[in-house]
Amino acid sequence: ILNVEQSPQSLHVQEGDSTNFTCSFPSSNFYALHWYRWETAKSPEALFVMTLNGDEKKKGRISATLNTKEGYSYLYIKGSQPEDSATYLCAPIGGATNKLIFGTGTLLAVQP
Amino acid sequence: DAGVTQSPTHLIKTRGQQVTLRCSPKSGHDTVSWYQQALGQGPQFIFQYYEEEERQRGNFPDRFSGHQFPNYSSELNVNALLLGDSALYLCASSLGAGSSTGELFFGEGSRLTVL
Repeated sequence: ILNVEQSPQSLHVQEGDSTNFTCSFPSSNFYALHWYRWETAKSPEALFVMTLNGDEKKKGRISATLNTKEGYSYLYIKGSQPEDSATYLCAPIGGATNKLIFGTGTLLAVQP
Repeated sequence: DAGVTQSPTHLIKTRGQQVTLRCSPKSGHDTVSWYQQALGQGPQFIFQYYEEEERQRGNFPDRFSGHQFPNYSSELNVNALLLGDSALYLCASSLGAGSSTGELFFGEGSRLTVL
């Protein structure tokens, strides 16, 4: 998997707004998709690892869906808070490996 | 339970020099991967070490080499530094080299500046 696209590149929302971003990837030879959150001056942290078409995962106010047939995943944040400000990275895996191919990320800024 | 630690956190080198970056994986993890994050890009996979051997490699020249020790810690070496090697170098640890569903645990990175 070489071509991973994330959109939008950046997003500025107000506290309380709900938001979503997209990760697009080639649908062939898909094994898994990882989502990571990366706050400034910290290390990236895993949010979700998804493998099945139609899968939906949730952690608090954050959820993600996966469509492996058409090659995309959505990440949703309900009621954004300033502490959600971070870069959100997706990384599909095209094989029995844990070599992640990262997108360029979506930078989310939540204004209080 | 110590997470992934990297050293040094920042360093400055000049073109042509060599640099060594170090990584201690999360306790219990046996696999270490290295990523380079240049400005405006997502992390790019450099290589992965498991059982003291390089198991996978990304699209990086031979100037980039590594090592894994019996205690699973790892080093990344870059020779003949170029200006374009300036980046944040991230180390990530995991359990098992072939699991596509095991999440990676990252360190905070080593920021390399090449002048």
